Amino acid sequence: EIVMTQSPATLSVSPGDRVSLSCRASQTISINLAWYQQKPGQAPRLLIYGASTRATGVPARFSGSGSGTGFTLTISSLQSEDYALYYCQQYNDWPLTFGGGTKVDI
Amino acid sequence: EVQLVESGGEPVQPGRSLRLSCSASGLKFRSYAMSWVRQTPGKGLEWLGFIRAQDYGETTEHAASLKGRFTISRDDSKSIAFLQMNSLTMEDSGLYYCTATHVGSTAAGRLAFEIWGRGTLVTVSS
Repeated sequence: EIVMTQSPATLSVSPGDRVSLSCRASQTISINLAWYQQKPGQAPRLLIYGASTRATGVPARFSGSGSGTGFTLTISSLQSEDYALYYCQQYNDWPLTFGGGTKVDI
Repeated sequence: EVQLVESGGEPVQPGRSLRLSCSASGLKFRSYAMSWVRQTPGKGLEWLGFIRAQDYGETTEHAASLKGRFTISRDDSKSIAFLQMNSLTMEDSGLYYCTATHVGSTAAGRLAFEIWGRGTLVTVSS
């Protein structure tokens, strides 16, 4: 099973900050990685797939990068609505696995 | 409006079975692969099972950690996906989400969860 590790667990930031979230895979997964955003009381929402392709309707301030085992989700200028939990997920191999999440907090 | 609505979650005793349903609307159901994902305080988000669209044989994948207790299936005539859960334990308590991925994505090997329902709560307790 591919283990996905996200860091940090919590990130305290201010509106307007540039934010970078890290996700590491226990073995190479090429670019078979997705990022999700989850707000309290809501289901996760797909932000990024293919490591760097934004899903439909996702603002351009969200960008993804990386390949192999190391990946980054960057929010170029944090907006108030971006305070949430962020998860990465690999789909290179079964079972599909998620990281433990990073909480972006005030 | 594209919508996935889960149902069937309820309190249940350990060792019992439960079947969850996911009703889809606003999309061409037969053009989507379906998955179930659960969220628990202990394990976070956990993928449980995946079923391909009819044109891809409706074949399935399941998390090996479930040891064959859970089975995903679908009824395209009713636009519903199911998760049959047997021999439930307290560790199976959580919020169960249904997700959909378009066949265009799965054909390209992109198994991201594109559409999510709001979840149905399963509580296993004596």
